[in-house]
Amino acid sequence: AQTVTQSQPEMSVQEAETVTLSCTYDTSENNYYLFWYKQPPSRQMILVIRQEAYKQQNATENRFSVNFQKAAKSFSLKISDSQLGDTAMYFCAFMKRGSRLTFGEGTQLTVNP
Amino acid sequence: DTEVTQTPKHLVMGMTNKKSLKCEQHMGHRAMYWYKQKAKKPPELMFVYSYEKLSINESVPSRFSPECPNSSLLNLHLHALQPEDSALYLCASSQDSLFWTSGLQETQYFGPGTRLLVL
Repeated sequence: AQTVTQSQPEMSVQEAETVTLSCTYDTSENNYYLFWYKQPPSRQMILVIRQEAYKQQNATENRFSVNFQKAAKSFSLKISDSQLGDTAMYFCAFMKRGSRLTFGEGTQLTVNP
Repeated sequence: DTEVTQTPKHLVMGMTNKKSLKCEQHMGHRAMYWYKQKAKKPPELMFVYSYEKLSINESVPSRFSPECPNSSLLNLHLHALQPEDSALYLCASSQDSLFWTSGLQETQYFGPGTRLLVL
C-alpha cells in the first residue's frame, strides 16, 4: 500500500516570502502521479499542481513549483511571493495506475500580513 | 472548464430525515467520486462510478446510497443518518477511472462540497 507523509502539520510565512512544504511517499511503483491540492477555509479542494513520475522536469504553475526527487521519493511544494489568499490546508496526494488517490494528512499554511 | 458543482452548500437534517446531495459536471468526464471529509483530515473515498456503473464501494453503511442517473450527474441519497455522519461531502470527477486501467492519467477535480450536519 502506498503512504504519503507530510511531516509539517502547520507552517506560517510572511506575505511576499517563499515557503516550502514537504511531502514524502512510499511506493514500489515506477509509473505514478503526484499532486498538490489546496483547501482554503471555503473548503473547496483546488488542484495546485501535478507531476508525472516519468517526467524528470519539475512542474511549475505560476508561483507554485515542485521539487520532485524520484529516488528519494520526495515531492515538495515551493510557493514564491506568498499571498494572503494562499492561506489554506495543503494536501499532497499520490496516485498510481489502477488505484485510488492517497492523501497525506495535510499541512496548514498561514500567510501573515 | 474544470467546474464541478454541488448542491446544497449546507444541509441540516434530523436522524429520521431523507435527503439527497447532488453533484454535476459538464466536462465530459466518465468517472465520478464521493468523498467524506472530517475537519482537519484528508478526504476519505466512499464511492466511485465509472461509465455510470458503481465500481467501488468502500464498505460505506447502507444509509448512504449513491446513484448515477447519467454521465454528468451523481447523487448521494441519505437516510437515517447518525450524528457522526456530520462532515463535508465532496464530489469529484475525472476524465476516466484508473480502475478501468485504461492507461490514462486522470486528475480528479473537486466540487465545493456540501457541509452536512446531522442532529
